[in-house]
Amino acid sequence: AQSVTQPDIHITVSEGASLELRCNYSYGATPYLFWYVQSPGQGLQLLLKYFSGDTLVQGIKGFEAEFKRSQSSFNLRKPSVHWSDAAEYFCAVGAQGQGAQKLVFGQGTRLTINP
Amino acid sequence: GAGVSQSPSNKVTEKGKDVELRCDPISGHTALYWYRQRLGQGLEFLIYFQGNSAPDKSGLPSDRFSAERTGESVSTLTIQRTQQEDSAVYLCASTRTAGDTQYFGPGTRLTVL
Repeated sequence: AQSVTQPDIHITVSEGASLELRCNYSYGATPYLFWYVQSPGQGLQLLLKYFSGDTLVQGIKGFEAEFKRSQSSFNLRKPSVHWSDAAEYFCAVGAQGQGAQKLVFGQGTRLTINP
Repeated sequence: GAGVSQSPSNKVTEKGKDVELRCDPISGHTALYWYRQRLGQGLEFLIYFQGNSAPDKSGLPSDRFSAERTGESVSTLTIQRTQQEDSAVYLCASTRTAGDTQYFGPGTRLTVL
């Protein structure tokens, strides 16, 4: 069965600083990988996804993520964070061959931005 | 176009009561999912509908939970005899087809007193 680990429950960075949120997954085959963001009182918004091909994926709001099969990781990065990036970030894995059904989510990383 | 909508946005109920949560998927989306998000936790899969196929109910935590979907439209998640541990945000998502990106609604926050 798939599983996702987000090792950092809470991260604080200063506005303008770079950001990396960690995600490790467990799955026997090539997974579908996703990063979602959840702002207070909002639904989940898809930031980016990896299905196949180029392992460096560009998303919305200046985010990118890199799929590293050897490390079973899909870390999310942004070169310079903005105060509006403060939110909860979720990494998720779906089983390829079954489409994106039954996504398994990590516990989430709460991002706080210091002015 | 319009996104996934859910109602009510908030529901407070007493222990032992039944509740119904509604999800309106994006028009034309054939697949619909329900998830539960407990406070400070990630999302837990509950149930999945794809077209006219039998739903995947493998994530439902107990027989107090059930869900229905008529065709490719509205879905209702019903929780009978609610317990305090049912308190959570219940999220619905839809996709155009299985294998497509899931688009989430804003959720229903359920509080069981």
